[in-house]
Amino acid sequence: DVKVTQSSRYLVKRTGEKVFLECVQDMDHENMFWYRQDPGLGLRLIYFSYDVKMKEKGDIPEGYSVSREKKERFSLILESASTNQTSMYLCASSCPRLASSYEQYFGPGTRLTVT
Amino acid sequence: KQEVTQIPAALSVPEGENLVLNCSFTDSAIYNLQWFRQDPGKGLTSLLLIQSSQREQTSGRLNASLDKSSGRSTLYIAASQPGDSATYLCAPLGGSEKLVFGKGTKLTVNP
Repeated sequence: DVKVTQSSRYLVKRTGEKVFLECVQDMDHENMFWYRQDPGLGLRLIYFSYDVKMKEKGDIPEGYSVSREKKERFSLILESASTNQTSMYLCASSCPRLASSYEQYFGPGTRLTVT
Repeated sequence: KQEVTQIPAALSVPEGENLVLNCSFTDSAIYNLQWFRQDPGKGLTSLLLIQSSQREQTSGRLNASLDKSSGRSTLYIAASQPGDSATYLCAPLGGSEKLVFGKGTKLTVNP
């Protein structure tokens, strides 16, 4: 069964802290994604990666960076957290090689609060 | 740029009703379209994926149709149950391998 896990369900951080959100998938998927979800704005793509060490900016990359050193793990980094980064963060993965290609599977989400 | 609209934004129905959720998108050059379900405070669960070459896809009480040329998809839920209460999101996938999400339809099924 498909499995995408995220390191924390809830996280509270202070303004200015460096924050790491981790995502792991066990499906050998090439593509991994980070989204944030805010009321009234829906899901917006922050970054995605189509292979190890490869990354591409999404619609709202400002204030974020990512790291993909291993195929199964994709990290989202907030270099200096700000209150406007309080949000629900969702990770997803997909595999272009499969018959149901590009179907995205999501993790449970991390609710981040920056105070 | 792809824009996705879901109508209605919210829907409240009595248990047992058949219902239709609508999704429209502006760019018909899509690879596939996914329908998701999201429970409050949770991640997204994939319900159905329709490839661009398909007209519809079925899973249990759910049926999704796709009319790529007119930029429309519908999700049909038969014999709704209180457990179907959730937000339903549609997301077409373009050549960039990125999904573009609508803002969802919040469904409440009353016992």
